[in-house]
Amino acid sequence: ETGVTQSPTHLIKTRGQQVTLRCSSQSGHNTVSWYQQALGQGPQFIFQYYREEENGRGNFPPRFSGLQFPNYSSELNVNALELDDSALYLCASSLQGNPQGYTFGSGTRLTVV
Amino acid sequence: EDQVTQSPEALRLQEGESSSLNCSYTVSGLRGLFWYRQDPGKGPEFLFTLYSAGEEKEKERLKATLTKKESFLHITAPKPEDSATYLCAVQAGPTGANSKLTFGKGITLSVRP
Repeated sequence: ETGVTQSPTHLIKTRGQQVTLRCSSQSGHNTVSWYQQALGQGPQFIFQYYREEENGRGNFPPRFSGLQFPNYSSELNVNALELDDSALYLCASSLQGNPQGYTFGSGTRLTVV
Repeated sequence: EDQVTQSPEALRLQEGESSSLNCSYTVSGLRGLFWYRQDPGKGPEFLFTLYSAGEEKEKERLKATLTKKESFLHITAPKPEDSATYLCAVQAGPTGANSKLTFGKGITLSVRP
């Protein structure tokens, strides 16, 4: 049974640039959720995808967007990067959105300079 | 809006010194309260789910309890390997909605040998 894999592990971008983060779900999981974790804070819900459709969104601007593919892998795209976007981005997969079954990846550490 | 407050922010214990971590919450329609453990540079690891007041769950040296307003994570005779950040999260809203979790900021536990 494979876990959740996120890539890249670390990334440095310049303010105003665009970034794409990737997540491979655990085998058999059909739901992917993305969270942003700033330093010293708890994770904050960005959005969730279920069977390739967005199924809920947190308080994040439209420049945060996502995709889920037929194999249930997912991408998080952030446009017009701001310094405050610097954070650990976590992907979590589950079966039908059950948080008890959430498997989190190790995250992508994004630094915006 | 759902709110989760964890206290204290940080806790330093001597090996074998038992203590409790607190999680206070304000939600409309609690569906579940979750405890996760997060090690540095890693994603959260699921520990417990509690669904109703009075419920208790145990795993090794950890015991989680739930009331209508708060949850406690009791650590009995901790060991240095219990050092980590402990996150509390709630899921609320109608059944069938997305499984968004609202997290607290976490409690950083250090256990000295």
